[in-house]
Amino acid sequence: KNEVEQSPQNLTAQEGEFITINCSYSVGISALHWLQQHPGGGIVSLFMLSSGKKKHGRLIATINIQEKHSSLHITASHPRDSAVYICAVRAGDDKIIFGKGTRLHILP
Amino acid sequence: NAGVTQTPKFQVLKTGQSMTLQCAQDMNHEYMSWYRQDPGMGLRLIHYSVGAGITDQGEVPNGYNVSRSTTEDFPLRLLSAAPSQTSVYFCASSYSWGGSYEQYFGPGTRLTVT
Repeated sequence: KNEVEQSPQNLTAQEGEFITINCSYSVGISALHWLQQHPGGGIVSLFMLSSGKKKHGRLIATINIQEKHSSLHITASHPRDSAVYICAVRAGDDKIIFGKGTRLHILP
Repeated sequence: NAGVTQTPKFQVLKTGQSMTLQCAQDMNHEYMSWYRQDPGMGLRLIHYSVGAGITDQGEVPNGYNVSRSTTEDFPLRLLSAAPSQTSVYFCASSYSWGGSYEQYFGPGTRLTVT
């Protein structure tokens, strides 16, 4: 079993829909990262969180440490949000473990 | 700041050839790392460095060498390329290894070994 699991693997939605991507992990962590990889391949960091909730524009990330679960939400989704979203955790030994990513496609 | 830069963007090698993937950062970050990304798999750590002169192996180090003679540069060497090394390679840096610091990624190098 992978230490970091993301769901769904693929998601297609209409523009304007509310999007939720989930990340579950099985190890103790000091931080969790959400990354975005655009079709061109570049990877950018969206959020780093160790508790609670963070918001940046239309993006919201939450984490529940007790349940070992994080969610990334996108409100009022737009075609430019189409990308692969990657969850990564920094484990107790400082090792970083990546999920396989969720491929999001927003249709106009 | 240019951030993290990688060269080349694309490369095709024949089996047995050697080459060096370049990575540089101008943010004075201590920690640098190399990942490979393969279809259906998450990013996997090849080698990392916690400072100039210090390197260590990650999850998939075989077939690769690294060195860190300066804070800025962290080249990845393929000693004798194999088709299994066909992948997209990302270099990343962050302020420090320990603690919760954001990682900055380079644009990637797409390598094909025939």
